[in-house]
Amino acid sequence: KAGVTQTPRYLIKTRGQQVTLSCSPISGHRSVSWYQQTPGQGLQFLFEYFSETQRNKGNFPGRFSGRQFSNSRSEMNVSTLELGDSALYLCASSRLGGREAVRNIQYFGAGTRLSVL
Amino acid sequence: DAKTTQPNSMESNEEEPVHLPCNHSTISGTDYIHWYRQLPSQGPEYVIHGLTSNVNNRMASLAIAEDRKSSTLILHRATLRDAAVYYCILRANNNAGNMLTFGGGTRLMVKP
Repeated sequence: KAGVTQTPRYLIKTRGQQVTLSCSPISGHRSVSWYQQTPGQGLQFLFEYFSETQRNKGNFPGRFSGRQFSNSRSEMNVSTLELGDSALYLCASSRLGGREAVRNIQYFGAGTRLSVL
Repeated sequence: DAKTTQPNSMESNEEEPVHLPCNHSTISGTDYIHWYRQLPSQGPEYVIHGLTSNVNNRMASLAIAEDRKSSTLILHRATLRDAAVYYCILRANNNAGNMLTFGGGTRLMVKP
C-alpha cells in the first residue's frame, strides 16, 4: 500500500508570493491533517479535513488555507508569504475522524520543505 | 488539552533497553496515550498507544501507571535506527478528530 505522498519535496519562494502544497493520502483514508514544523515552534497543527470538510483548525492566520477533494487528496495554500513561513509542512492521513479518531493511527508524509527568501 | 512532560534528551547504548518517561498528571479518564517518533529527515511515525493497560507491539511496549499520571515507552533493544525524537501525546476522546498536539519530545541518542 502506498504511503502518504507530498509534493513537491522542496520549494523556494520569495516574500509576498503564494504557494500551494499537495498531499495524497493513503488509499481509503478520509482524513487529512496538515502540520507546520519549525526549529523554534516545533510541530504545530494547521487544520484537518475529513470528507471534504474542514473539521479542526489550529491557531494560524487566514493566509493559511486548505481544501480536500472528493478523492481525499488535499492541498494547502499560503498566500502573501513571509520569511517566518519557512518550515517543513507535513501532511498526515487517517482512516477515521471525529470521536473515533482518538484510537486512530496517523500516517505522515515526508513533508514539503518551504524556504521563503 | 492535558499536557505532557518529557525529558529533552536521553542517551542509550546500542542493544540495551531504553525507558522513555512521560508525565501527564492532568490526564482525564478518557484520554488515550499515544507515542510517535520522528527519525531524522522524516515525518513522524506512529509507535504505540494505550488507555489503561500495558500494550505491546512489534516496535515497543507501553507501560501505563496505575493512576495513569505517567507512562513509559520501552524499546527492548535499542538500535542505531531508533535514534529519533519521541513524542508522548494525549488524545482526548471528544470530537477533536485527528488533531495532534506535539510537545518538545525526547531526543534519543543511541551510541554504538
